[in-house]
Amino acid sequence: QVQLVESGGGVVQPGRSLRLSCAASGFTFNTYGMHWVRQAPDKGLEWVAVISYDGSNKYYADSVKGRFTISRDNSKNTLYLQMNSLRAEDTAVYYCAKDSTIVVVPAAILEYWGQGTLVTVSS
Amino acid sequence: DIQMTQSPSSLSASVGDRVSITCRASQSISSFLNWYQQRPGKAPKLLISAASNLQSGVPSRFSGNGSGTDVTLTITSLQAEDFATYYCQQSYRTPFTFGPGTKVDIK
Repeated sequence: QVQLVESGGGVVQPGRSLRLSCAASGFTFNTYGMHWVRQAPDKGLEWVAVISYDGSNKYYADSVKGRFTISRDNSKNTLYLQMNSLRAEDTAVYYCAKDSTIVVVPAAILEYWGQGTLVTVSS
Repeated sequence: DIQMTQSPSSLSASVGDRVSITCRASQSISSFLNWYQQRPGKAPKLLISAASNLQSGVPSRFSGNGSGTDVTLTITSLQAEDFATYYCQQSYRTPFTFGPGTKVDIK
């Protein structure tokens, strides 16, 4: 069955960097787009970024554009989120999610989700 | 960016009730609208895609309809496990925005 396991969260000071990983299994990773979605404490869901199956297309939320980079290593079945210049407002649980369709541009139907990893930005 | 709103923001209901949640987009999104359920402390779960396509394994008491700017999620005969927060999300264009959520709790 599909499994998505995030890691790399923790406490980090404002302005510093952190890299999240999402290990995928149970499906053919290199044929699906992948997303990152975050949820601040007691708040709603915020879509963060998406990457196409081959890494050729990437899109970001305005709130993270220029600071965060989504990438993937299909040889390792792993999705990444490099987060730079972190701010207090980036504090959230970060989820990775699998897109539902095999197309060049992801359909943005988030079919499976990991359990999330908590990132806390605080001095 | 496409803004998503949901109404109501919360509701109280009893087991067996029929409830409806409306999601409104700031511009037409055709049927590019998905619904997710999130129970406390858990990851979201996809319920319905493309406004009305029920995902495999999701009970038939869940249904969705609508297109354009207004889409509705309906739960007929609410069950105990349905008390959760429901989010809509547009997949029409990036950024793929979510609605603010509707919390369904026990009356």
